[in-house]
Amino acid sequence: DAGVIQSPRHEVTEMGQEVTLRCKPISGHNSLFWYRQTMMRGLELLIYFNNNVPIDDSGMPEDRFSAKMPNASFSTLKIQPSEPRDSAVYFCASSLIGVAPEQYFGPGTRLTVT
Amino acid sequence: ELKVEQNPLFLSMQEGKNYTIYCNYSTTSDRLYWYRQDPGKSLESLFVLLSNGAVKQEGRLMASLDTKARLSTLHITAAVHDLSATYFCAVDRDGGSQGNLIFGKGTKLSVKP
Repeated sequence: DAGVIQSPRHEVTEMGQEVTLRCKPISGHNSLFWYRQTMMRGLELLIYFNNNVPIDDSGMPEDRFSAKMPNASFSTLKIQPSEPRDSAVYFCASSLIGVAPEQYFGPGTRLTVT
Repeated sequence: ELKVEQNPLFLSMQEGKNYTIYCNYSTTSDRLYWYRQDPGKSLESLFVLLSNGAVKQEGRLMASLDTKARLSTLHITAAVHDLSATYFCAVDRDGGSQGNLIFGKGTKLSVKP
């Protein structure tokens, strides 16, 4: 299996621009998680989906952030408009609830907003 | 408030020495996860501890779980430089029904010659 796939791996954008991060979970997994990691705040859960349905988005910083999972093999995290404080590494992880409980993380997207 | 606390947060040790990282948590979870993160890399699953008294070992690392004390330990035996990384523990937030984990802040381990 290819593991969790994220794109792009690096993104540099200017403040005010729209940013879309993409994730393909491991085939057969039924849960998907978006995290943000910074030196100051550590690893933060932004939102997670079970069977493509958003379950908890309380970690989404504000309305500028949105996430979708249109099918079992694809999810997006969008930031519009982006701000310098959004600069971080964004990880996507997937798991199979009830069978293999651990989450498998993608390689991450390093976002820099100037 | 649900908490996962790791101790220490920073650890500098010499090669060949032994040390233990502690993970205390406030939930009633009976499952605990250890992850490793190398600098600039993603998180990699190390151990999954599924019940009270569970012990798992791989190489120079051994993890154990005491659900009654709500404590897990990650023991490092005869450390080598390759073990330098950040180690995270995590527990189920909701009893495992949703797969949502609470992560500790991580322990940054530096092994020096």
